[in-house]
Amino acid sequence: EAGVTQFPSHSVIEKGQTVTLRCDPISGHDNLYWYRRVMGKEIKFLLHFVKESKQDESGMPNNRFLAERTGGTYSTLKVQPAELEDSGVYFCASSRETGKAYEQYFGPGTRLTVT
Amino acid sequence: DAKTTQPNSMESNEEEPVHLPCNHSTISGTDYIHWYRQLPSQGPEYVIHGLTSNVNNRMASLAIAEDRKSSTLILHRATLRDAAVYYCILFYSGGSNYKLTFGKGTLLTVNP
Repeated sequence: EAGVTQFPSHSVIEKGQTVTLRCDPISGHDNLYWYRRVMGKEIKFLLHFVKESKQDESGMPNNRFLAERTGGTYSTLKVQPAELEDSGVYFCASSRETGKAYEQYFGPGTRLTVT
Repeated sequence: DAKTTQPNSMESNEEEPVHLPCNHSTISGTDYIHWYRQLPSQGPEYVIHGLTSNVNNRMASLAIAEDRKSSTLILHRATLRDAAVYYCILFYSGGSNYKLTFGKGTLLTVNP
């Protein structure tokens, strides 16, 4: 089966601009997660979708970040306006709804650089 | 979230076994012990998990102390491809919140 894919792999934008990251989970995975690692820090959870619903968005840093998962398939994470501290690697992961729901499959990440 | 403690780094030689320790003295009865690893330039990858008994899979073995306050991930024969950051994560099995809380992990270097 195809793995989790993320687009773009790398994005360089200026402070104040908008960027949209996309994640395509493994087909049939109802759970979708966003994480990020900012420079020198640990990987941090951002939010969790179950199908199209937000199950947990406790990790979203502020209202400049908007995540959507229309139709319960792919997800987008929009940062508007981007700030310097948003630079880092954004990971998406997915897992099954039941059974091995705990086993998360991660994508390769999107490296975001805000200048 | 319950906290884990791991050494910052470890070194091994190729073809030799590697024992990666993790302390989790505040673990609760419903916490599973999960291990993920992150290879260079990739996203984290699930390795193994357990609750009380030792576990084996094709990638590794997990040895859990009787009091569950510590565990050890065992790579039986390290290869160069096993060089990665290894994360020990406590995972609450109740409810529907599956978020992972990553610490700093252990950077494993494998020497040829």
